[in-house]
Amino acid sequence: GENVEQHPSTLSVQEGDSAVIKCTYSDSASNYFPWYKQELGKRPQLIIDIRSNVGEKKDQRIAVTLNKTAKHFSLHITETQPEDSAVYFCAAPQAGTSYGKLTFGQGTILTVHP
Amino acid sequence: SAVISQKPSRDICQRGTSLTIQCQVDSQVTMMFWYRQQPGQSLTLIATANQGSEATYESGFVIDKFPISRPNLTFSTLTVSNMSPEDSSIYLCSVEEPRGGGGYTFGSGTRLTVV
Repeated sequence: GENVEQHPSTLSVQEGDSAVIKCTYSDSASNYFPWYKQELGKRPQLIIDIRSNVGEKKDQRIAVTLNKTAKHFSLHITETQPEDSAVYFCAAPQAGTSYGKLTFGQGTILTVHP
Repeated sequence: SAVISQKPSRDICQRGTSLTIQCQVDSQVTMMFWYRQQPGQSLTLIATANQGSEATYESGFVIDKFPISRPNLTFSTLTVSNMSPEDSSIYLCSVEEPRGGGGYTFGSGTRLTVV
């Protein structure tokens, strides 16, 4: 099955700096890669996703890049704000199955200091 | 986006008892997914629930412990049976966004504490 590794486990930045979180996956057939943000006591919320037919996708301050050859994808947050502080999870679907059958990374606790 | 109503939001249960968690979606969906999030941990898929067929379980999860019902295209239940303190977790259901495109959204979760 799919194995997803996420780094770093914690990330601390100053407001206005950029933050980058990286994930690797094991199954070369995987073709959908979402990122979720989970604030304390709340549900995970999808913030951006990418399919394997593109290498990068941006949505305002958030971007995801994908390197299929190396089997890794990254979340980039620019101009970080204190409200970006949360736990971020990457995920990948079990190959050959519904995109809803996700294997999640271990999570990154992002803290943005004012 | 899809609106998922999940209940109860939290419960404290005695060991050896069972709890049924409900997930109601405001649109018809083919598949519903149940996840577990242990304290301070990531999310782990428990099973996939299709309407009209048996749920399919992931490695490490069995039907006797986590029976699932899927009576129609907008509703599912997950039961946590014969609970022990190790079952203390957040349980979440997930469905595909009606807009399609592969995005999946989560219910608000059920925080279960077993004492």
